[in-house]
Amino acid sequence: DAGVTQSPTHLIKTRGQQVTLRCSPKSGHDTVSWYQQALGQGPQFIFQYYEEEERQRGNFPDRFSGHQFPNYSSELNVNALLLGDSALYLCASRTPSASYNEQFFGPGTRLTVL
Amino acid sequence: DAKTTQPPSMDCAEGRAANLPCNHSTISGNEYVYWYRQIHSQGPQYIIHGLKNNETNEMASLIITEDRKSSTLILPHATLRDTAVYYCIVSDSWGKLQFGAGTQVVVTP
Repeated sequence: DAGVTQSPTHLIKTRGQQVTLRCSPKSGHDTVSWYQQALGQGPQFIFQYYEEEERQRGNFPDRFSGHQFPNYSSELNVNALLLGDSALYLCASRTPSASYNEQFFGPGTRLTVL
Repeated sequence: DAKTTQPPSMDCAEGRAANLPCNHSTISGNEYVYWYRQIHSQGPQYIIHGLKNNETNEMASLIITEDRKSSTLILPHATLRDTAVYYCIVSDSWGKLQFGAGTQVVVTP
């Protein structure tokens, strides 16, 4: 059983460009969350998707947007990239039947903005 | 901002117990205490959680004070593979996980 998978593994972009990151949740999971982790810091919550809708959002600008597909996979889009967007982007999924907040994280996508 | 306070780092000898403290004085009645860890270059991994009772699983034990304002994660027999950043998080059963800076634990031979 595959866990959470993310693509690509690494990505290099220049300022002003746009980027799309992809995530496939663990089998049986329907809720996907995205986190941004800057170097030396803990992950910061971006948003969470459930039933193809954004149900919770962290303190990130509108340049950050997402989408969830009927198969529960998800995309994170970032427009007008800034140098400060360089970070590890983590995707996490959870099962709807869990009575507690155990989230399964993928290995992340390392984004470098030059 | 994270709702928890943890020491930035701690060392532990291999084979000894590691006791990781966490303060969460503003925890709400419906919030749980969660512990995750992140081994270098990997995504965070769930360890254990609790509401008000002490909990134990195959990875660790969690001791929560009676007033719920602090807790301690115990790794009973630390191994080199336990070297990681450990995050203490308070959260409800559904929402976002608010990570702080965590505690960098280094297990030495």
